[in-house]
Amino acid sequence: AQSVSQHNHHVILSEAASLELGCNYSYGGTVNLFWYVQYPGQHLQLLLKYFSGDPLVKGIKGFEAEFIKSKFSFNLRKPSVQWSDTAEYFCAVNPYTSGTYKYIFGTGTRLKVLA
Amino acid sequence: SAVISQKPSRDICQRGTSLTIQCQVDSQVTMMFWYRQQPGQSLTLIATANQGSEATYESGFVIDKFPISRPNLTFSTLTVSNMSPEDSSIYLCSVDPGGNQPQHFGDGTRLSIL
Repeated sequence: AQSVSQHNHHVILSEAASLELGCNYSYGGTVNLFWYVQYPGQHLQLLLKYFSGDPLVKGIKGFEAEFIKSKFSFNLRKPSVQWSDTAEYFCAVNPYTSGTYKYIFGTGTRLKVLA
Repeated sequence: SAVISQKPSRDICQRGTSLTIQCQVDSQVTMMFWYRQQPGQSLTLIATANQGSEATYESGFVIDKFPISRPNLTFSTLTVSNMSPEDSSIYLCSVDPGGNQPQHFGDGTRLSIL
């Protein structure tokens, strides 16, 4: 079955530290990839997406992610985190099969940034 | 981007009762989706709701337990029927805006069953 793995469930960092959150998926075909963020008390918001082209994608608030097809990975990075980045981060995969709009989500990573 | 309103935002219900969650979008969309997020777990797709057709349910979810309506291109409802404590979750509505855009999500409904 198709699945998405986020290996870090809880991450605690100090401000200005660098961040990398792992995301791996199991699907051999073409995929669309997403990172969503959920700030405390708010709804899911899109951070960035990959459909095709340059495998290094840049999103909002200084986040970026790199799609490595050979590793089935789409890791999220930020060089210097801020206290306001405290949130839960979800990786999602859309297996690109004709007529399929299904998103498969990872279990999420709770990030806490200490001021 | 599409603005999605979900009601209620939260509720506490008695075992055996049913609750209907509403999802309103400020623009016409073909595809709407209902997800469940159980405590400490990821989002799981319950069903896809297209206007003018029956909802398509994912494995493990059935129409009798989660009936869905999609009367027009801006509105959908999800009913959680005959609730039990295991149904305590956050239920989220999302839409596919089209034009190769990612899904947009509502604020969710936090449901607790006593």
